[in-house]
Amino acid sequence: QSALTQPASVSGSPGQSITISCTGTSSDVGSYNLVSWYQQHPGKAPELIIYEGTKRPSGVSNRFSGSRSGNTASLTISGLQAEDEADYYCYSYAGSNTYVFGTGTKVTVL
Amino acid sequence: QVQLVQSGAEVKKPGASVKISCEASGYSFSSFYLDWVRQAPGQGLEWIGIINPSSGNTGYAPKFRGRVTLTRDTSTGTVYMDLSSLTSDDTAVYYCARHQSEVGPDYWGQGTLVTVSS
Repeated sequence: QSALTQPASVSGSPGQSITISCTGTSSDVGSYNLVSWYQQHPGKAPELIIYEGTKRPSGVSNRFSGSRSGNTASLTISGLQAEDEADYYCYSYAGSNTYVFGTGTKVTVL
Repeated sequence: QVQLVQSGAEVKKPGASVKISCEASGYSFSSFYLDWVRQAPGQGLEWIGIINPSSGNTGYAPKFRGRVTLTRDTSTGTVYMDLSSLTSDDTAVYYCARHQSEVGPDYWGQGTLVTVSS
């Protein structure tokens, strides 16, 4: 069971859109529509922003959207804002009552 | 409101064990699994394991099997994580998190810093 692969960093200017990929295998991301995304600001606990690949919890901005194709899930942040600068992690079911996180992506707003 | 309150920071010597508690309140304790996750300084999130508070059934990441034990006390609404044979690589903030079915962790504890140092 290896961590899901994410780019180490992604950056964009305010107002732009960015996409973070999360690549797994046919044993996790590719087999289950159970990918969630978390946002973590420094010194804080993670916060859920996307679940079941595409759904947003109540209160989460609609600037965040998710998708999945094959073994890769993606998180898109549109209309990038300064407050979106944070670390982002994907999370997937990996079978046999186990789960796995992605390696994490640092988003920088230029 | 949902609250997960973890025990305080720990300092341990290499080879020792640590036991962290996570007291849940504000929801039906037996109705939601609980995840344990850790984050080493400057590093990413790492999934450790999960427990079903109703049955006590557990699941562990292969990396931690044999070294971690998750238990629960339904009378107090508390889950415990016991990690043995500590090394400096286990220095991290450990989180418990309520696991919503089909979603994953939705509420998190405040984190417990475990420092392993001789």
